[in-house]
Amino acid sequence: EAGVTQSPRYAVLQEGQAVSFWCDPISGHDTLYWYQQPRDQGPQLLVYFRDEAVIDNSQLPSDRFSAVRPKGTNSTLKIQSAKQGDTATYLCASSLTGQEFFGPGTRLTVL
Amino acid sequence: GEKVEQHESTLSVREGDSAVINCTYTDTASSYFPWYKQEAGKSLHFVIDIRSNVDRKQSQRLTVLLDKKAKRFSLHITATQPEDSAIYFCAASLSNTNKVVFGTGTRLQVLP
Repeated sequence: EAGVTQSPRYAVLQEGQAVSFWCDPISGHDTLYWYQQPRDQGPQLLVYFRDEAVIDNSQLPSDRFSAVRPKGTNSTLKIQSAKQGDTATYLCASSLTGQEFFGPGTRLTVL
Repeated sequence: GEKVEQHESTLSVREGDSAVINCTYTDTASSYFPWYKQEAGKSLHFVIDIRSNVDRKQSQRLTVLLDKKAKRFSLHITATQPEDSAIYFCAASLSNTNKVVFGTGTRLQVLP
């Protein structure tokens, strides 16, 4: 069974540029998470979905970040105008019964 | 909201010794406590979990203990091996939600 896949694996931007991250969860997993993991810190939840519905996006900076999961499968996380403070690894995870399976992450550097 | 604190930021043990990583949580309604391992340059990988209906769970060399009264849980690794070297994250979530809150991580180094 394929795991969680993410793309791109790396991204380097100038401040003010936009970027999108894509996640393909494990087939059949109804819950999908996006986390931000700054260097040397634990993952911090940005948003999570059950099927296509947003369940919690309270930690998502709504002025610049957006996330969608239109068909309850793949998901896209977008940063409209990146800031240096957004430099981190962005992790996608999926689950069905509680245990989360993580993708390899996208390492974002904002110069 | 829930907060999870990991008390040891780094831990060094000799190969073959035991290692213990401790975490505390704040929300008494938390009922699911997973542990994840992150090796250098890699993503998180599930290692073991415990639910609040038990106070101990073992899987091979790993044991998780849960003290609900103290809101404390711990990961015990016996007979440590070099491949156990990694960052370990504890986490907690409430029973009525899939939202998991992670600790800040403990870097375990197993020395030869």
